[in-house]
Amino acid sequence: SAVISQKPSRDICQRGTSLTIQCQVDSQVTMMFWYRQQPGQSLTLIATANQGSEATYESGFVIDKFPISRPNLTFSTLTVSNMSPEDSSIYLCSVENDGGTGYGYTFGSGTRLTVV
Amino acid sequence: GDSVTQMEGPVTLSEEAFLTINCTYTATGYPSLFWYVQYPGEGLQLLLKATKADDKGSNKGFEATYRKETTSFHLEKGSVQVSDSAVYFCALSEAYAQKLVFGQGTRLTINP
Repeated sequence: SAVISQKPSRDICQRGTSLTIQCQVDSQVTMMFWYRQQPGQSLTLIATANQGSEATYESGFVIDKFPISRPNLTFSTLTVSNMSPEDSSIYLCSVENDGGTGYGYTFGSGTRLTVV
Repeated sequence: GDSVTQMEGPVTLSEEAFLTINCTYTATGYPSLFWYVQYPGEGLQLLLKATKADDKGSNKGFEATYRKETTSFHLEKGSVQVSDSAVYFCALSEAYAQKLVFGQGTRLTINP
């Protein structure tokens, strides 16, 4: 399975500011996925990021609020823009394991964001 | 759309008790099914998986069988340990969608 390095691991931010989260994968992957886990809740997919194309956003998530970059096959960033306390969550990136869908997905360790 | 429903939590058991966490799903195709575990303060780890009907996934004493007729993938362990305390997520993925759909998670606490 791939190894993902995600940072920062946590941050406390002022409302109205932006935070960029980085994920580095130790192998080339076609797609990277960004999830949000609100306090006490399950994980919800924000967007899917392919290298060389615009990210595909799920319903309820927009590019202006969560811009994503995917400059190469091993790296992606998610920015949480103009933050409010409602954005306080854990944000995780994920990649599909080698072999395809049936082999599962590997997750980064997550970024715990608190907006004050 | 696809969805996953887990039994309500939290679940509290004594050490060495038998564990079942129910999971049922709704899918349009033939999904792969997964259990993920999130230990306190950590990210998600894949616990086990099954890719087709009647497959049994197993790992660390945990088992789950892909039951197409009942659209279920219940997680079981014969004798739980304190170290099993975590949040458990059932999830599915369909090849055409290539994303995970998660259940709401079940928080498990094992008391010594």
